[in-house]
This record gives sequence, C-alpha cells and structure tokens, in this order.
Amino acid sequence: GAGVSQSPSNKVTEKGKDVELRCDPISGHTALYWYRQRLGQGLEFLIYFQGNSAPDKSGLPSDRFSAERTGESVSTLTIQRTQQEDSAVYLCASSFGLADNEQFFGPGTRLTVL
Amino acid sequence: GENVEQHPSTLSVQEGDSAVIKCTYSDSASNYFPWYKQELGKRPQLIIDIRSNVGEKKDQRIAVTLNKTAKHFSLHITETQPEDSAVYFCAAITTSGTYKYIFGTGTRLKVLA
Repeated sequence: GAGVSQSPSNKVTEKGKDVELRCDPISGHTALYWYRQRLGQGLEFLIYFQGNSAPDKSGLPSDRFSAERTGESVSTLTIQRTQQEDSAVYLCASSFGLADNEQFFGPGTRLTVL
Repeated sequence: GENVEQHPSTLSVQEGDSAVIKCTYSDSASNYFPWYKQELGKRPQLIIDIRSNVGEKKDQRIAVTLNKTAKHFSLHITETQPEDSAVYFCAAITTSGTYKYIFGTGTRLKVLA
C-alpha cells in the first residue's frame, strides 16, 4: 500500500521567506509526527498530532515554526521568516495511534535556506 | 531536558564480525525503545524494538538488550554483512502522561567486505 508521502522533496528558499511543507500519512494512522534532521545528525522531535487532540508543540524550536493537521489526514509544517539554521531534512512519520507503535517515515523534504 | 546518548558515533567492522551500539537515556518514565536503520539517502525504518517489561529480544541476527536500572539499552548485530552498513538510531519513548520521543544522535556502521 501507499506509504507516507511528503512534498516538496526539495525546497530552496531565500532567508526571510516563509515555507510550507506537506505530509500525507498512511491512511488509518491517527498519529503523525514531524522531525528535523540536520546534516549528519540525529532526529530532532518537533511536534506530534494524535486524532483530534491538541498537538504537543513542546519540540518546536521557535515561534517561527507552526504545524496544522486536518482531522487524521494531511499535515503542513510552516516555517516563517526562514533562517539559514533552518536548513535540514524535515521528516514526517505516522503510526497507528501513539504508545509503542512503529512509526513509518516519509522520504523527507530537504530544505535549503540561502 | 531529557536526552539519549548513543555510542559510538562511527563503527567499522569486518564482514562476519559482530557490532554493538549502546544508548543511555535519562527519562526514567521511558518505556519503549525502538531502533531505526537509515540507509544513505533513504528514510529511517524500524528494525527492532523492546518494551520496558522485557530484558532482551532477538530477531535473527539482531538483538536488543535493556537494563532499566542502569537506563541503557544496546543493539547487537551478529554475522554482519555489507548490507548492514547504514546509520542506526536508538530512541527512548515515553508513552504515558506527556508523550516524549527522543532519538539518539546515530551510529554510522560500516561493514568492510
């Protein structure tokens, strides 16, 4: 079946511009996660959504970052006034609920801020 | 804040030898410990996981051990093969109360043929 998809696969933007990244989770997965992976580094948790519950935003690095999810479907991660340090691969994952369930990752969006 | 330390950052082994990667976590409430493999340019994929009520789990050439008292867990790969070459990430997940997902910084494993 279809896995997690993300778009765009690559995004190059100028410092100060806003960007919007999209994630389509696996159908039926109620939980959705966003991570940031800087070059050669580990996965940095940003935010998760579970069903219709309020998202846990504790991992967002600054107020320039925000995320939304419509029901149990598509999610968008928005970065306003991008900075060079925002350059990274942004990975989305989904799972059957929270708890100890396998997270299935998307291919990521590589963001480059010039 | 809570963190997960992962060692070593790079590991080279000869084909057929064993590889061990170790992680230490700080949140005593962590109760789920997955390991992900990320091949170059690809997305992370779960290879094995262990829950806090289990001390060891094995799946063919891969095993994971957990010591809750010491707050550390390890990945063991036996009879390594070139296709095992990848970056491996451990994670400590807290699934009660405030959910927390903390990943280690990764170990780049190279299996030399």
